[in-house]
Amino acid sequence: EADIYQTPRYLVIGTGKKITLECSQTMGHDKMYWYQQDPGMELHLIHYSYGVNSTEKGDLSSESTVSRIRTEHFPLTLESARPSHTSQYLCASSPPGRGVLGFGSGTQLSVL
Amino acid sequence: AQSVAQPEDQVNVAEGNPLTVKCTYSVSGNPYLFWYVQYPNRGLQFLLKYITGDNLVKGSYGFEAEFNKSQTSFHLKKPSALVSDSALYFCAVRDYNNNDMRFGAGTRLTVKP
Repeated sequence: EADIYQTPRYLVIGTGKKITLECSQTMGHDKMYWYQQDPGMELHLIHYSYGVNSTEKGDLSSESTVSRIRTEHFPLTLESARPSHTSQYLCASSPPGRGVLGFGSGTQLSVL
Repeated sequence: AQSVAQPEDQVNVAEGNPLTVKCTYSVSGNPYLFWYVQYPNRGLQFLLKYITGDNLVKGSYGFEAEFNKSQTSFHLKKPSALVSDSALYFCAVRDYNNNDMRFGAGTRLTVKP
């Protein structure tokens, strides 16, 4: 299991709140990813980073933003949460080359 | 861009029977193929991968997968299913040129006693 940590594990908030989902990894991986997944459904890549100060949008349009100021940290921010943002958010990282992605346990977000 | 297809949303098998979860892929170059498993309310766990070499890849928990280049497939198999194998299974692919990984829609495996 990869050493990748996501907090909080569960989050219930009201509409309009600003939230940040945390993701950290201790392996020094340059590549990090955020996926969005509805319960029991497919994963959609929403953001990725190949290193410090590098961020890209993924396939699925998302109103979230990310930053990569430190190698080990890749937080995801929603400026104004809405019920449509209710989902599970999975963070992952991988070593150089075509290595295996390791996943965190996810953050289950519910916006009321 | 690379993509994968998992043609079955659901696979049901009886405990002790062999299981197969299907996956086909599309890439522009040599594929790097992966299988992950997801238990309820958890992240994804790596099962096995194919990068190069033998077409039959063995992974965790007794699972194996067969790479078939002519059919562009990478089906997951297990000779004897366990009830504890019940979970959501994802196939994923990277190609030679792209660094990001694409996942299939997932197949829910249910193993009944």
